[in-house]
Amino acid sequence: KAGVTQTPRYLIKTRGQQVTLSCSPISGHRSVSWYQQTPGQGLQFLFEYFSETQRNKGNFPGRFSGRQFSNSRSEMNVSTLELGDSALYLCASSPRGGTGIYEQYFGPGTRLTVT
Amino acid sequence: GESVGLHLPTLSVQEGDNSIINCAYSNSASDYFIWYKQESGKGPQFIIDIRSNMDKRQGQRVTVLLNKTVKHLSLQIAATQPGDSAVYFCAETANDYKLSFGAGTTVTVRA
Repeated sequence: KAGVTQTPRYLIKTRGQQVTLSCSPISGHRSVSWYQQTPGQGLQFLFEYFSETQRNKGNFPGRFSGRQFSNSRSEMNVSTLELGDSALYLCASSPRGGTGIYEQYFGPGTRLTVT
Repeated sequence: GESVGLHLPTLSVQEGDNSIINCAYSNSASDYFIWYKQESGKGPQFIIDIRSNMDKRQGQRVTVLLNKTVKHLSLQIAATQPGDSAVYFCAETANDYKLSFGAGTTVTVRA
């Protein structure tokens, strides 16, 4: 079974621009979560989508948004980029089948550099 | 806010020895805990999980111990191998899909 895929793998943007990152979950997984990883703050939860609805949200400004499509693929968008948005953005998928197991499987991440 | 933290940022281990990685958490509502391994250039890889109604769980060469009284979690790796060199994160959740991660411990295996 193919793992979580993320595109693009690397991205360089300028302050003030906006960016869209894409994530394809493991086949059959219906939940997609996004995390930001930086050396200073570590791994921080952004949001989680299930059945095209945002179910959980972290403490990030409204510049960070996301959506999920009917095929469970997800995108996240960051508008008005700031230098501090430079990070590895990780997507994770989960079956979310009501079993009470919350394991998440991560993709390789998108490395975003804001200059 | 409440967070999950690791006791040591780095750990150097001789190949073949056992490794113990520690993690303290502060959210008493946490119900589910996971250990992840992250190698350079890759996303975190699921290692093992444990629910709060258990105090020990074993996998292949790994054991997770949970002490709810002192809010402490540990990962034991038996017979550490060079391929075990990575950053290890503990994560916790209170019955939802919002994982809170610790800062990570970098494990270096010496040949």
